[in-house]
Amino acid sequence: DAGITQSPRHKVTETGTPVTLRCHQTENHRYMYWYRQDPGHGLRLIHYSYGVKDTDKGEVSDGYSVSRSKTEDFLLTLESATSSQTSVYFCATQAGEETQYFGPGTRLLVL
Amino acid sequence: DAKTTQPTSMDCAEGRAANLPCNHSTISGNEYVYWYRQIHSQGPQYIIHGLKNNETNEMASLIITEDRKSSTLILPHATLRDTAVYYCIVRVAEGKLIFGQGTELSVKP
Repeated sequence: DAGITQSPRHKVTETGTPVTLRCHQTENHRYMYWYRQDPGHGLRLIHYSYGVKDTDKGEVSDGYSVSRSKTEDFLLTLESATSSQTSVYFCATQAGEETQYFGPGTRLLVL
Repeated sequence: DAKTTQPTSMDCAEGRAANLPCNHSTISGNEYVYWYRQIHSQGPQYIIHGLKNNETNEMASLIITEDRKSSTLILPHATLRDTAVYYCIVRVAEGKLIFGQGTELSVKP
């Protein structure tokens, strides 16, 4: 839905290395979101964006940064990955007051 | 955003209607009720949303009580492919989605 792609779809990395996940959309939606999903916690919001260069923190933002230099791309960066950041990461987009649509997810394993 | 309460799990026979309840007793007048589902390891999928009136689309029906303190998602003829975790969420327009634990629906043959 909403032409959302996430890359990579799977990644294994080592503790202390930087990691960047990309979310790309083709629908020109204003809002973009990054969530993580862990067993027993459901989906939790990491960061979100309400326009180019406009971002804000969600409930679990520590250890993560984001950037949005173009409408279609929203990047999530783990500056120094830790094992606690092993998770499934979902991107979502939303046009104004409309429905939020989700991407297929990225599985990240930090060893 | 108001919180929601859903049963942890439910079973439904294939071909029968699945009725998934949700309590949202602290919902505000400008908050919508949204339903999403997540099939194992996939991204959440939008199902339906409503404010006051009952809603129906090709996937499901949403029944909201007159006082708006609870709602029910109805899948009229459940299939095995409807087995998923169903999330009931309330939010204001342009507001953030706050996911709870959802209801794990198992559709059985």
